[in-house]
Amino acid sequence: QVQLVQSGTEVKKPGASVKVSCKASGYTFTKYFLHWVRQAPGQGLEWMAIINPRDGSTTYAQKFQGRVTVTRDTSTSTVYMDLSSLRSEDTAMFYCAREPAEMDTYYFDYWGQGTLVTVSS
Amino acid sequence: DIQMTQSPSSLSASVGDRVTITCRASQSFTTYLNWYQQRPGQAPKLLIYAVSSLQTGVPSRFSGSGSGTDFTLTISSLQPEDFATYYCQQSYSTPRTFGQGTRVEVK
Repeated sequence: QVQLVQSGTEVKKPGASVKVSCKASGYTFTKYFLHWVRQAPGQGLEWMAIINPRDGSTTYAQKFQGRVTVTRDTSTSTVYMDLSSLRSEDTAMFYCAREPAEMDTYYFDYWGQGTLVTVSS
Repeated sequence: DIQMTQSPSSLSASVGDRVTITCRASQSFTTYLNWYQQRPGQAPKLLIYAVSSLQTGVPSRFSGSGSGTDFTLTISSLQPEDFATYYCQQSYSTPRTFGQGTRVEVK
């Protein structure tokens, strides 16, 4: 069955970086885009980034440009989201979600369980 | 970027009620509109994709409609497990923007 399993809770100090992983299983890794979505406490969903696992190409939200890097490891079917220069406003749940890459419509059909990142001094 | 605006931001309803949530896009597109449900403490779940296609396993009381810039999610008869927050999302372009969410609460 399709699964996206994310790494565990992180606590970081302001200015530090965090790397969150999302391990995919149960499907052909290169046939689906992977996205990252942020959700601050009590807030809505905010799209951050997309990676095409086939070639590693990425697009980032302008808000996170320069601070976020998304990479993938096809040998382990894992995608990584690296967010640097953390500030308290980055305290949030981070989700990965997959999107079919070979269809004529797009949607996030499976989501990871979420990774809570807390930024606090 | 395409802005997505949902209304209302919250609503109170009773079990059995018909509930309608609207989503307006800042520019027109066809088919690239999805709806998600998020229960407290859980990841979002896909309900409807491509405006009106029901995701596998989603009860038929959920339906979607619309075109252009105006879209609607309808729950025909609200059930206890439907009290949650609902988000629309456009997948016409990147960034894949979401509406701000509509919280459905117990009346």
